[in-house]
Amino acid sequence: QKEVEQDPGPLSVPEGAIVSLNCTYSNSAFQYFMWYRQYSRKGPELLMYTYSSGNKEDGRFTAQVDKSSKYISLFIRDSQPSDSATYLCAMWVDTGNQFYFGTGTSLTVIP
Amino acid sequence: DVKVTQSSRYLVKRTGEKVFLECVQDMDHENMFWYRQDPGLGLRLIYFSYDVKMKEKGDIPEGYSVSREKKERFSLILESASTNQTSMYLCASSLWSREETQYFGPGTRLLVL
Repeated sequence: QKEVEQDPGPLSVPEGAIVSLNCTYSNSAFQYFMWYRQYSRKGPELLMYTYSSGNKEDGRFTAQVDKSSKYISLFIRDSQPSDSATYLCAMWVDTGNQFYFGTGTSLTVIP
Repeated sequence: DVKVTQSSRYLVKRTGEKVFLECVQDMDHENMFWYRQDPGLGLRLIYFSYDVKMKEKGDIPEGYSVSREKKERFSLILESASTNQTSMYLCASSLWSREETQYFGPGTRLLVL
C-alpha cells in the first residue's frame, strides 16, 4: 500500500465550479500536509500547508485535514481557467526527514 | 522570494554517458533534494542533503550519486545513463527549521537514447 493515495483524474469542470481534490494516507505520524500546484512543464509550487486538523483558507483555496480519517482535501471556489494544472498533495514527518507526495490530480477548468 | 534554478531545462544524452544535473538555490537553505517525476508514479526522492558534504539516500538512489560541495549547490550525477533514467528531474530546497516547505526548481527533462 502506498503511503499517500491520490486520484490522478483527469478532472474537468466548468469555470466557476467548486473543485474538490482529495488524498488519503496511511501513516498516522505525518505532521505536515501540503498542496502543490504544477503547471505543465514547470516545477511544483507550494500552494498551501497546514499541520493541524481542520480548515485553512487562503483566498479561493481551502485546505482541509481530517487526521482521524487520514484524509486531506483542497477546495477551489469559483474556479478559473488559470487553475488548470496538476495538484499534488504532500506529507511530511520529521523522523528521517521523510517527505511523501501523491501522484497528482490533473485539473482542467473549461471557460 | 526563493529561487531555485536548474542548469538545463532539456537534455538529451546517449546510453552510457555521464550526466551532471546542477541545482542552485539563493536563499541559504540547509536542505536540498533531488526527485524524479514520472507519469503515474508521482515524485520519488532520489537523494537529499541537509548540510554541505552530507547526503542521504532517498527511495530510489540506484544509478545516481550526488555532490554538495557548497551550501547553495546540489548536483545529481548519473554515472552511466540508461534509458530507464529518462524522466523529469526536480530539485528542491528548504530551511532546516521549515523542512516541511520545499521550493522547487523548474525541472530538467532528460531523454536518454
